[in-house]
Amino acid sequence: SQTIHQWPATLVQPVGSPLSLECTVEGTSNPNLYWYRQAAGRGLQLLFYSVGIGQISSEVPQNLSASRPQDRQFILSSKKLLLSDSGFYLCAWSALSNEQFFGPGTRLTVL
Amino acid sequence: LAKTTQPISMDSYEGQEVNITCSHNNIATNDYITWYQQFPSQGPRFIIQGYKTKVTNEVASLFIPADRKSSTLSLPRVSLSDTAVYYCLVGDPYGGSQGNLIFGKGTKLSVKP
Repeated sequence: SQTIHQWPATLVQPVGSPLSLECTVEGTSNPNLYWYRQAAGRGLQLLFYSVGIGQISSEVPQNLSASRPQDRQFILSSKKLLLSDSGFYLCAWSALSNEQFFGPGTRLTVL
Repeated sequence: LAKTTQPISMDSYEGQEVNITCSHNNIATNDYITWYQQFPSQGPRFIIQGYKTKVTNEVASLFIPADRKSSTLSLPRVSLSDTAVYYCLVGDPYGGSQGNLIFGKGTKLSVKP
């Protein structure tokens, strides 16, 4: 069966510090991968998606970036965090259908 | 991109049937309609997906009229544990471009005893 992992589960970072969130998927090959952000009380905002290694599409201009160094690994990064980057970050994967399977999420607080 | 519009919130009582409607006037020919459920501090979970007419599974039913410009998620006999945010999405699952799978703000359903 397929599983999706995210870490860390929670993170508190100062403004201006770097960020690296990791997502890995097991049990499937060549998945589509997604990064979402959900601010408090808000809907899900698609940040990045990837259909293959090294292929990243950005949906929203921001100080975040994403990389896919391996088929089942998706990384969300920032060189300098802003207060507005606080939120709940979710990684998801999908195969042929548009059913997306979400990870447990990372709650990021920027102080 | 097919944009969706849903009510921001709905209230219900245990045992009632709840119907949440989603408008998607610009739905494309190849788009499917998918609904997700999200509990606080968790990722969304797939509920049901359909293309036209009616789809039913063990959790919910999805009604889609002939013009496909709207859809209704029906939850039979809700319980307190159905309190969650429900998202409606439209997109082409086989089109290769995954960026059109947009989550709106969803509908916050509150089920009361």
